Amino acid sequence: AQSVSQHNHHVILSEAASLELGCNYSYGGTVNLFWYVQYPGQHLQLLLKYFSGDPLVKGIKGFEAEFIKSKFSFNLRKPSVQWSDTAEYFCAGMIYNQGGKLIFGQGTELSVKP
Amino acid sequence: EPEVTQTPSHQVTQMGQEVILRCVPISNHLYFYWYRQILGQKVEFLVSFYNNEISEKSEIFDDQFSVERPDGSNFTLKIRSTKLEDSAMYFCASSEDKRTDTQYFGPGTRLTVL
Repeated sequence: AQSVSQHNHHVILSEAASLELGCNYSYGGTVNLFWYVQYPGQHLQLLLKYFSGDPLVKGIKGFEAEFIKSKFSFNLRKPSVQWSDTAEYFCAGMIYNQGGKLIFGQGTELSVKP
Repeated sequence: EPEVTQTPSHQVTQMGQEVILRCVPISNHLYFYWYRQILGQKVEFLVSFYNNEISEKSEIFDDQFSVERPDGSNFTLKIRSTKLEDSAMYFCASSEDKRTDTQYFGPGTRLTVL
C-alpha cells in the first residue's frame, strides 16, 4: 500500500539554524509530492510541490525540497530558520493521475526558539 | 486571495446524532475533498467529489457518511449517526484541476462526539 512517513515527530531549533525534515514515500510508480505547513491556529498551506522535472524544488518563505527517486525521499530544507517558522509540517504524496487522494505523513512539529 | 471556508469551527454532538459539516470551496474549483485528522494521528483522506458524484472514497467513508453539493457553492459532509470514534478535525479541500493537483485546504471543523 502507498504510504508516506516522516521521521521526526518534533524538532526544536534555535533561530538561524539549518533545517532538514525527512520524508519518505513507498510507491514504485509516479508520485506527486507536496509539503504543507500549518501555522498555529491556521489552515494547511502549500509550501511547495514536485510533479516532474528539476528534482530540487523551491517553495515559499525560503523552503526547498529535493526529490531523490532512488531513496524514495522528498526532504524539506531551509538554510536558516526563523521564529515565525514554528509550525507543523506535513509531507504528502499523490499517485499520479489517480483520483486526487493525498496520502499524508504523520507531521513534524517544528519549534524555533528565538 | 480566495480561501476555502468551513463552518462551524467546532461542533459538539451526542453519539447517534446526525451532523452536517459545511464547506465553501474556492469558486472556480471543480474538485472537492474531505479529510479528517483524529487527534495524534495522520490526516486521512475520506472522499473526493467531482461533477456531482464521488470520484474516490476510502474505507473510512462507509454508509454513515455522505457528501453533497446542494447549491453550487456549498460542499457538505453528513455523518448520519455519529460514533465516539468520529471525533476528529475534518478538513475540506478543493482544487481547480485534478491534474495540477494542488489542493487548497479550509481551516477545519473540530467535531466532538460525546
